[in-house]
Amino acid sequence: GAVVSQHPSRVICKSGTSVKIECRSLDFQATTMFWYRQFPKQSLMLMATSNEGSKATYEQGVEKDKFLINHASLTLSTLTVTSAHPEDSSFYICSASETGPKADTQYFGPGTRLTVL
Amino acid sequence: GDSVTQMEGPVTLSEEAFLTINCTYTATGYPSLFWYVQYPGEGLQLLLKATKADDKGSNKGFEATYRKETTSFHLEKGSVQVSDSAVYFCALGGGADGLTFGKGTHLIIQP
Repeated sequence: GAVVSQHPSRVICKSGTSVKIECRSLDFQATTMFWYRQFPKQSLMLMATSNEGSKATYEQGVEKDKFLINHASLTLSTLTVTSAHPEDSSFYICSASETGPKADTQYFGPGTRLTVL
Repeated sequence: GDSVTQMEGPVTLSEEAFLTINCTYTATGYPSLFWYVQYPGEGLQLLLKATKADDKGSNKGFEATYRKETTSFHLEKGSVQVSDSAVYFCALGGGADGLTFGKGTHLIIQP
């Protein structure tokens, strides 16, 4: 149980284009999903917290107009990197937490490798 | 703000050796503490967790105890296997908040 999927796993795009990444909780409902960014040989950095039916909460330093997050249902959150530039190339990882007693545990997707040329 | 410090690797051990990966933290309040593992080419998986002081989390032979007095959550395993080779992340937080991660420790187990 508690499986989270991400799509696509890899994407290569040209500078200036937008890329959408999907995060789905497959066997549970997730009122809260999180988006992280991981640089090579670095830790995961929280970008934003996504709550179903409301606006995402962004961490300091993360541009909300560049990284658009939509959490339209209890099983799906999307991250759109708008007008991507080479410095946006990174590994993007989502996680989701269940409601109830297990709410403090996050289950992670496999990540999406974004390369902007 | 909250932070997690863990020993940076790579840590190289022989099979059946004893493992300790140190993790200390600073936090406001009383967060839950976690160890996540990332195997090559895979996503992060929860290894174990502890939600309050003196709790011990354990899984797959690994264990860690939430030490409030030393603000630590060191990961231990008595006898490692080659299949334990991975990157291990210590983290704190949970609930409505995102997790704060350490930088990760790359563990290499040699046969």
